[in-house]
Amino acid sequence: DQQVKQNSPSLSVQEGRISILNCDYTNSMFDYFLWYKKYPAEGPTFLISISSIKDKNEDGRFTVFLNKSAKHLSLHIVPSQPGDSAVYFCAASETSGSRLTFGEGTQLTVNP
Amino acid sequence: DAGVTQSPTHLIKTRGQQVTLRCSPKSGHDTVSWYQQALGQGPQFIFQYYEEEERQRGNFPDRFSGHQFPNYSSELNVNALLLGDSALYLCASSLAFGLDTQYFGPGTRLTVL
Repeated sequence: DQQVKQNSPSLSVQEGRISILNCDYTNSMFDYFLWYKKYPAEGPTFLISISSIKDKNEDGRFTVFLNKSAKHLSLHIVPSQPGDSAVYFCAASETSGSRLTFGEGTQLTVNP
Repeated sequence: DAGVTQSPTHLIKTRGQQVTLRCSPKSGHDTVSWYQQALGQGPQFIFQYYEEEERQRGNFPDRFSGHQFPNYSSELNVNALLLGDSALYLCASSLAFGLDTQYFGPGTRLTVL
């Protein structure tokens, strides 16, 4: 039972354009959502999070949107940079700091 | 400020052997979680330790066990290794149980032959 799904295994965008990564979940008990970025041979790096009481959280070039009724969240990166090329994981938990349930990841490639 | 550290970086074992992986949390963190990441998949939660006790456990067999020490560092032990245990094992730490974002170490790559 895949409770967190990232349906796009890969995404390719041009430098300077917007990258939009999507994530869907099925567990109604999830109330805290996170995005992590992972480079090869490194552990996941925390990017941004959002609580279920909000529908948007912004941090510099990164914005996460949450649509609770659709059980959908997305990560927007504007403008995209070649250094953003990595695997992006969506994760969810029932409370902040509790066990994380991850999606399968999306490989983002930003072309110069 | 040191982040989460893990040792060893890589490990090769044969089926049936036992392995111990180690993790030191980020300075000031007191909660440690362990995850298994198979190739091409997202990390899967194994268990979480707080105050030297296992607080939450994922869907992993009893061959997977752990320990947390008074200095908050942690070990993951896997007995009777199977080929399917080959994966990247990730440790994550957080400040307080249930209240903080988890930060990950670089992982230990385990290969079972």
